[in-house]
Amino acid sequence: ELKVEQNPLFLSMQEGKNYTIYCNYSTTSDRLYWYRQDPGKSLESLFVLLSNGAVKQEGRLMASLDTKARLSTLHITAAVHDLSATYFCAVGSMYSGGGADGLTFGKGTHLIIQP
Amino acid sequence: DSGVTQTPKHLITATGQRVTLRCSPRSGDLSVYWYQQSLDQGLQFLIQYYNGEERAKGNILERFSAQQFPDLHSELNLSSLELGDSALYFCASSVDPRSAEAFFGQGTRLTVV
Repeated sequence: ELKVEQNPLFLSMQEGKNYTIYCNYSTTSDRLYWYRQDPGKSLESLFVLLSNGAVKQEGRLMASLDTKARLSTLHITAAVHDLSATYFCAVGSMYSGGGADGLTFGKGTHLIIQP
Repeated sequence: DSGVTQTPKHLITATGQRVTLRCSPRSGDLSVYWYQQSLDQGLQFLIQYYNGEERAKGNILERFSAQQFPDLHSELNLSSLELGDSALYFCASSVDPRSAEAFFGQGTRLTVV
């Protein structure tokens, strides 16, 4: 059974600081996703990482993937209040024969950025 | 706006009742996924359909069922509802099961009283 662990689950930080959210997963996967969710809202796709060593950046967020370590990180640079949200990593797995199941999500990291 | 439409946005119903949640995928997407988000269980994959056929099952209860119609919209049927079924139910769609990206709808918030 695929398990996805995020840490920390809760993070309060000040504007201007840097921090990293970690996502570990338990079995081989060929897809890793980062999503953002604002309270009561839908999931917004941030990054899709498909290969070992993949690094993607968008604004103050950068995501990376190490498939050998089964680890992805989401790095926040010089945080601003607007980045306050819950961040989820999710891992996809492929059944043999080309079928695909849905994503397995981590519990999410509730991020509060204070002025 | 992801292009995935879910109705209704909110639903309040009593225990023991049955409800149907509806999802229209993005234009051109053949694969539909249903997820449940609750405080207890987090985000859980329920079931996937591709072009009308069930493709994969996750942690879906026997009281729940789904289908995808020829026009590709999907419905999630929840029956014999219990208080613990209160949750946010999301639908997502993608072009096909191997597609790298799935897009989520706004969700249906179900409250069972």
